[in-house]
Amino acid sequence: DAMVIQNPRYQVTQFGKPVTLSCSQTLNHNVMYWYQQKSSQAPKLLFHYYDKDFNNEADTPDNFQSRRPNTSFCFLDIRSPGLGDAAMYLCATAMGQKQYFGPGTRLTVL
Amino acid sequence: DAKTTQPTSMDCAEGRAANLPCNHSTISGNEYVYWYRQIHSQGPQYIIHGLKNNETNEMASLIITEDRKSSTLILPHATLRDTAVYYCIVRFGNQFYFGTGTSLTVIP
Repeated sequence: DAMVIQNPRYQVTQFGKPVTLSCSQTLNHNVMYWYQQKSSQAPKLLFHYYDKDFNNEADTPDNFQSRRPNTSFCFLDIRSPGLGDAAMYLCATAMGQKQYFGPGTRLTVL
Repeated sequence: DAKTTQPTSMDCAEGRAANLPCNHSTISGNEYVYWYRQIHSQGPQYIIHGLKNNETNEMASLIITEDRKSSTLILPHATLRDTAVYYCIVRFGNQFYFGTGTSLTVIP
């Protein structure tokens, strides 16, 4: 039973062409996260929402934006993808003590 | 700056205990230590967490030193399916900061 769903699993975009990655959850958790994971590196926290409150990490580039229209959905918008933005993007939720991760979306930038 | 440091890789014989260390010397009093693992191309999976007491669950044990500057994750009887990257994480409030991870290989 999928609890954190990410669509699509694989996304290809062109250099500079805006792209949106989607995440949904069936857990009704109040916190949602976006992480960037580059090849052979640890996940890096980009930002998170506590309910509707948006919390940006200090070193997250302005090129990355997020929207959370309701509890279930959260979107990652990359306004002008560069080659360096190619990575796995992980969505996670949390309520209480644990984080629950989705399977990730692998973004390729051509 | 990384909040945790871990060895890059470790091997463990199948059926033996795997002991994965983590240093978190700058941890503050209200920051929890979490362990997650990630199997190739999947999202990280929760293993265990603790604040200052040792913890045990069905997957693993977590030993935290008294000064809380380091911890050890113990997989008591490693199997081939435990081959993964193990991340030691410090949690502050709602923010989870991943360490560099240890790639554990369980050898038959």
